[in-house]
Amino acid sequence: KAGVTQTPRYLIKTRGQQVTLSCSPISGHRSVSWYQQTPGQGLQFLFEYFSETQRNKGNFPGRFSGRQFSNSRSEMNVSTLELGDSALYLCASSLVGRIGETQYFGPGTRLLVL
Amino acid sequence: ELKVEQNPLFLSMQEGKNYTIYCNYSTTSDRLYWYRQDPGKSLESLFVLLSNGAVKQEGRLMASLDTKARLSTLHITAAVHDLSATYFCAVDLGERQGAQKLVFGQGTRLTINP
Repeated sequence: KAGVTQTPRYLIKTRGQQVTLSCSPISGHRSVSWYQQTPGQGLQFLFEYFSETQRNKGNFPGRFSGRQFSNSRSEMNVSTLELGDSALYLCASSLVGRIGETQYFGPGTRLLVL
Repeated sequence: ELKVEQNPLFLSMQEGKNYTIYCNYSTTSDRLYWYRQDPGKSLESLFVLLSNGAVKQEGRLMASLDTKARLSTLHITAAVHDLSATYFCAVDLGERQGAQKLVFGQGTRLTINP
């Protein structure tokens, strides 16, 4: 079974631009969560989607948004990029995102904002 | 606000030795996860602990959960070089009937020397 895939793997943008990252969950998984990993703040929860609905959201500004499609694939968008948005963005999928389910992480998208 | 604190943050040890990583959290929860991350790689699920007193073992790693003390431990027995990685604990803040929302500790960077 293929794992969680994320595209692109690496991205360089400049301040003020916007970026869209994509995540394809494991086949059959309907819950997708997004995390930001930085050396300073560590791993932080961004949001979680299930059946095209955002069920949980972390403490990030409105510049960070996401969506999920009917095939469970998910995208996250960051508008008006800031230097501090440079990070590894990880998505994780699980069957239905129920408490106690294992989340399987993708390889991540490394974003550099110049 | 939930705080998840790991101790130590850096650990250098010799092969064959035993050691324990501690994960303290600041709110009531009986849902705790352990992950491993190799340099430049994504997160790999190790253990899911879902009740007070839960103990799980895989190879040289054993994890336990004490919900009354709000403490989880990851014990390494007779360490080998292949266990060198960063280990994260995460507490699930999701509502009991709802979706997952993981809050991660800072990570413990473990280096095992021959």
